[in-house]
Amino acid sequence: DQQVKQNSPSLSVQEGRISILNCDYTNSMFDYFLWYKKYPAEGPTFLISISSIKDKNEDGRFTVFLNKSAKHLSLHIVPSQPGDSAVYFCAAAGETSGSRLTFGEGTQLTVNP
Amino acid sequence: DTAVSQTPKYLVTQMGNDKSIKCEQNLGHDTMYWYKQDSKKFLKIMFSYNNKELIINETVPNRFSPKSPDKAHLNLHINSLELGDSAVYFCASSQLVVETQYFGPGTRLLVL
Repeated sequence: DQQVKQNSPSLSVQEGRISILNCDYTNSMFDYFLWYKKYPAEGPTFLISISSIKDKNEDGRFTVFLNKSAKHLSLHIVPSQPGDSAVYFCAAAGETSGSRLTFGEGTQLTVNP
Repeated sequence: DTAVSQTPKYLVTQMGNDKSIKCEQNLGHDTMYWYKQDSKKFLKIMFSYNNKELIINETVPNRFSPKSPDKAHLNLHINSLELGDSAVYFCASSQLVVETQYFGPGTRLLVL
């Protein structure tokens, strides 16, 4: 059972525009969410996180929004840059899952110059 | 000054062999993990150690045995390698048990 889902395997946007990556989860016990970025042949790198007590967290060009009632989170990148082209993974954790991070299957973002 | 390092980066071996992958972190973290990224690109946790103590052991064949000689190292030993073990294996670490995890570059294992 896939508890964290990223339904779009790929997304293509123009440089300077907004990129919106989506993630849905089913486990209502998840209370901490993270986004990771992964370049080819490298490990995932942490991008931004949000705890369930918030509905928004912003860090420079990156903003994560959390809608707990819909069990949905999204990552907004504004403005998008070609260097943002990578696979983005959504991950979730909760006290009941111990230290397990449950990952989505990733979305390949391509930012075109 | 790599935070989480893994060796080797690539590993090609024959079915039935035994191999080890090493992981070291210099972040002073207490918790370390092994993940497997399969052909469908899912990242799935295999093991987690906190201060050298095993705290997560997912449904992984017992051919896989993690070993943590100290809290900066978590090695993965795999016995009797099978074709289905071919994957990318990532090591990660975090300071607290539920917190941001920092990943190594991955070890690409190919079993022929």
